[in-house]
Amino acid sequence: ETGVTQSPTHLIKTRGQQVTLRCSSQSGHNTVSWYQQALGQGPQFIFQYYREEENGRGNFPPRFSGLQFPNYSSELNVNALELDDSALYLCASSGQGVGETQYFGPGTRLLVL
Amino acid sequence: EDQVTQSPEALRLQEGESSSLNCSYTVSGLRGLFWYRQDPGKGPEFLFTLYSAGEEKEKERLKATLTKKESFLHITAPKPEDSATYLCAVQAGTGRRALTFGSGTRLQVQP
Repeated sequence: ETGVTQSPTHLIKTRGQQVTLRCSSQSGHNTVSWYQQALGQGPQFIFQYYREEENGRGNFPPRFSGLQFPNYSSELNVNALELDDSALYLCASSGQGVGETQYFGPGTRLLVL
Repeated sequence: EDQVTQSPEALRLQEGESSSLNCSYTVSGLRGLFWYRQDPGKGPEFLFTLYSAGEEKEKERLKATLTKKESFLHITAPKPEDSATYLCAVQAGTGRRALTFGSGTRLQVQP
């Protein structure tokens, strides 16, 4: 069984640029959630995708957007990067049932200069 | 608004010295409480899911318990390889399946 994978592992961008992060969900999972984790903090929910539709969103501005594909993989896009966007971006996959456990990928470390 | 508070922020133990980590939560209709372990620079690794007060789960040196207001992660006779940040998260009884995380407890076990 393949776990959650993310790419790239590290990324350096400059302020104002755009970035796309990718996630492949674990086999058998149809839901993908994205989280942002600042240094020394717990992960914060960005949004979730189920059946290619956004299924809930946290307190993040519209410049954070996403996609889910028919194979349940997902992308996170961030436009007009700001210095505060520097963080570890985590993808988690799960089933859609009540109380389903979310399994996390290794994360993408984004640094905005 | 759902809230999760973990204590202590950091804990240093000697190898073999048992202790407990606390996770206090406020949530509208708990669907699940989750414990994860996170090593530096890596993604959280799933440990336990608890669904109702009174439930307990164990795995090796770890035992998680749940009440209506808090959860404890008990570590028995820890080893240096147990050093990590332990994260607690809740999933509320609202439409979305988002997890709300605490800030974690950084555990260091010294040999």
